[in-house]
Amino acid sequence: GAVVSQHPSRVICKSGTSVKIECRSLDFQATTMFWYRQFPKQSLMLMATSNEGSKATYEQGVEKDKFLINHASLTLSTLTVTSAHPEDSSFYICSARADRGNTIYFGEGSWLTVV
Amino acid sequence: GEDVEQSLFLSVREGDSSVINCTYTDSSSTYLYWYKQEPGAGLQLLTYIFSNMDMKQDQRLTVLLNKKDKHLSLRIADTQTGDSAIYFCAESIAGTYKYIFGTGTRLKVLA
Repeated sequence: GAVVSQHPSRVICKSGTSVKIECRSLDFQATTMFWYRQFPKQSLMLMATSNEGSKATYEQGVEKDKFLINHASLTLSTLTVTSAHPEDSSFYICSARADRGNTIYFGEGSWLTVV
Repeated sequence: GEDVEQSLFLSVREGDSSVINCTYTDSSSTYLYWYKQEPGAGLQLLTYIFSNMDMKQDQRLTVLLNKKDKHLSLRIADTQTGDSAIYFCAESIAGTYKYIFGTGTRLKVLA
């Protein structure tokens, strides 16, 4: 079946550095992908909608310059956390909407720890 | 505003049934979902129900939907220790593919 892959699954980075998380649809094309964030012991909150070939649409309160989203191809969206701080430590998960059938598939998520 | 609520914790004994409840807000949601998240892992889609259905059964899982009250429940029969996880309900916002997730219910199964 359709699979959405996220990489890396776990990453530790130093405060002040940037880290990139990839979300890749493995056997389908996805014009639209979504990025969510989960704070510890809380629910998943939608951060932004990633649109292939155009700018991402950010939810209210999400800093677009902090969380850079690039959706350069129909199978890949990337989230870059810039100048990471410990409070950015979180679980980031993406979902992809298959262009055919409109089904949503979630990745397995990426755990980011900023030290 | 949009809000999906769940009770935070549920503890059951192995072999008993578990019932996890969820209330949602968007009456135009087409589908409602249940996801499972094991410790340190991602989301696993367990089941979903179309909004014009009242009930859906899938092996040990039974989903009940009361659209009038905007109430969704997940019943796990013969709960096992491997069922210990966080369970999220989610609704998709009509006209979009954005999901609103509930706060999650942490299920603990006691041996």
